[in-house]
Amino acid sequence: GAVVSQHPSWVICKSGTSVKIECRSLDFQATTMFWYRQFPKQSLMLMATSNEGSKATYEQGVEKDKFLINHASLTLSTLTVTSAHPEDSSFYICSASRPGTTDTQYFGPGTRLTVL
Amino acid sequence: AQSVSQHNHHVILSEAASLELGCNYSYGGTVNLFWYVQYPGQHLQLLLKYFSGDPLVKGIKGFEAEFIKSKFSFNLRKPSVQWSDTAEYFCAVNAGDSSYKLIFGSGTRLLVRP
Repeated sequence: GAVVSQHPSWVICKSGTSVKIECRSLDFQATTMFWYRQFPKQSLMLMATSNEGSKATYEQGVEKDKFLINHASLTLSTLTVTSAHPEDSSFYICSASRPGTTDTQYFGPGTRLTVL
Repeated sequence: AQSVSQHNHHVILSEAASLELGCNYSYGGTVNLFWYVQYPGQHLQLLLKYFSGDPLVKGIKGFEAEFIKSKFSFNLRKPSVQWSDTAEYFCAVNAGDSSYKLIFGSGTRLLVRP
């Protein structure tokens, strides 16, 4: 299989704090990982594409300094929401693609972030 | 810019009814097409995909989809739905280039009544 995990599954934080979300490919090496945001009753919006060992590519309108992405190894990518505010509350989902089949993405279970 | 439209936001069916969910995309070049399903409380799972070849694609759990290039469509079908098909269904497209970025439709919530 191709299993992707995320940690934590949910987090509640105070406004102004930073939150780190981890995305791991458990049984394969992921050269590329993607970060999405899903608002209630809406679709997934791609935030950024992360390649191992290089800087992430952010989509238009996504603040690089706000959403820090690190892809330090072939099995781990992290998204840090810095100085979180209530409007950052959302469902964050990562996906990973396997070498040789980069056109198919495997999704993690998502992380529910609530900023008070 | 690429976009994906799913016309049915909510669909309610009785068991054994036939299902067709519409998906249209806007992009003039080569595309790869996907349908993902999200069961309640679970993560997105790939239902089926089309890259090339036979435009009628069969996926898991009895689902199939037909790519009609002239209509920019990739509709999902199932001849007889089950209660367990209750889920949200997302159509997605990528441009078939090296970016592998997925553009998702807004999703269709399917409720199957027993």
